[in-house]
Amino acid sequence: EAQVTQNPRYLITVTGKKLTVTCSQNMNHEYMSWYRQDPGLGLRQIYYSMNVEVTDKGDVPEGYKVSRKEKRNFPLILESPSPNQTSLYFCASSWASAYEQYFGPGTRLTVT
Amino acid sequence: GQQLNQSPQSMFIQEGEDVSMNCTSSSIFNTWLWYKQDPGEGPVLLIALYKAGELTSNGRLTAQFGITRKDSFLNISASIPSDVGIYFCAGLYGGSQGNLIFGKGTKLSVKP
Repeated sequence: EAQVTQNPRYLITVTGKKLTVTCSQNMNHEYMSWYRQDPGLGLRQIYYSMNVEVTDKGDVPEGYKVSRKEKRNFPLILESPSPNQTSLYFCASSWASAYEQYFGPGTRLTVT
Repeated sequence: GQQLNQSPQSMFIQEGEDVSMNCTSSSIFNTWLWYKQDPGEGPVLLIALYKAGELTSNGRLTAQFGITRKDSFLNISASIPSDVGIYFCAGLYGGSQGNLIFGKGTKLSVKP
């Protein structure tokens, strides 16, 4: 089954404790992206990757890091999480560019 | 950054009614996308528009890419209870192939 998977689905952590949210797709897609969704703000793009070893900032990259060492994986790293990073995070992928993305199920992160 | 103004923010309609929502921007977009998000899930692509003036249908859904390239609308005809959810417009502007901007969403409620 073609899918985008994210782990963990739910995470509660404390300020400053480094964490990684994994994202993996099994569709051989070149493009992958991370978004955060906050009430009343819609989805905002954090980072995206057009291909392996190619990453670019989206609209809200501050406080996040990403890497794209393999085509199928695109982890999101929070080196020192803060409460304002409490949000619902989505990973997405597509064949090329941002046109027709498949979204993962989401990761709900709470930073206390 | 770029912004998409999506309206209305919410709609509460009777089953069988037609629905119309739109997105506008002060900037020119070269691609418009419409997504639907069900509760607890990631967004799912409904319609993609690639050319100014393009009118595209997907079942009871019809979307148009505005001729000025600064707006798009989505119509849903003869609404049914499963149309309930949040609808997002999204767009790529300028020469970007990866930086996707989302509207803040229209929450649709359908009364049987």
